[in-house]
Amino acid sequence: RKEVEQDPGPFNVPEGATVAFNCTYSNSASQSFFWYRQDCRKEPKLLMSVYSSGNEDGRFTAQLNRASQYISLLIRDSKLSDSATYLCVVPPFTGGGNKLTFGTGTQLKVEL
Amino acid sequence: EAGVTQFPSHSVIEKGQTVTLRCDPISGHDNLYWYRRVMGKEIKFLLHFVKESKQDESGMPNNRFLAERTGGTYSTLKVQPAELEDSGVYFCASSQVRNPYEQYFGPGTRLTVT
Repeated sequence: RKEVEQDPGPFNVPEGATVAFNCTYSNSASQSFFWYRQDCRKEPKLLMSVYSSGNEDGRFTAQLNRASQYISLLIRDSKLSDSATYLCVVPPFTGGGNKLTFGTGTQLKVEL
Repeated sequence: EAGVTQFPSHSVIEKGQTVTLRCDPISGHDNLYWYRRVMGKEIKFLLHFVKESKQDESGMPNNRFLAERTGGTYSTLKVQPAELEDSGVYFCASSQVRNPYEQYFGPGTRLTVT
């Protein structure tokens, strides 16, 4: 089983819609998680971190379900500018160094 | 504040040639990382420097790859000799010691080996 798994999409949604992506992880010892955003041919940029039950930042909400080992990203009132690939990222558990483990990403396309 | 910068942005070389990629981290970031994304795959960790010391090089594919960070500032990643499967986007990232997982990525170097 892959360490981090995501549905690659694409998710095509109309502007204003609410969309959610899930990401499953295999290491039950993982304590924190990140969502990164990557625009086409650009670098990944940190979007949100999830340390406990969840995190909310404006239209974006990230939640963690430890029992089922998945994290989710919810985007409300989608904008055209939200079109990007969303990467689920898992840091190592304590003592495992600093390397980040990336999922393959979920592609979102917001349309008029 | 300047972000992570990488040079060159693109490189096209022939199999068997040598290429050197450069990364300048954010000023004051002691942690520097190299990652790579090959087509169709996820971004994968290559190695991690703390200042000039290699902390973790578990992701380096083979001994054709050599990373250095002399003086603990900028870093170089040399591929010699390059193979076709080395094609991909090489990202550099940096972070502060006190917040190591908050990593800031550079724009990447797109390497094509023909």
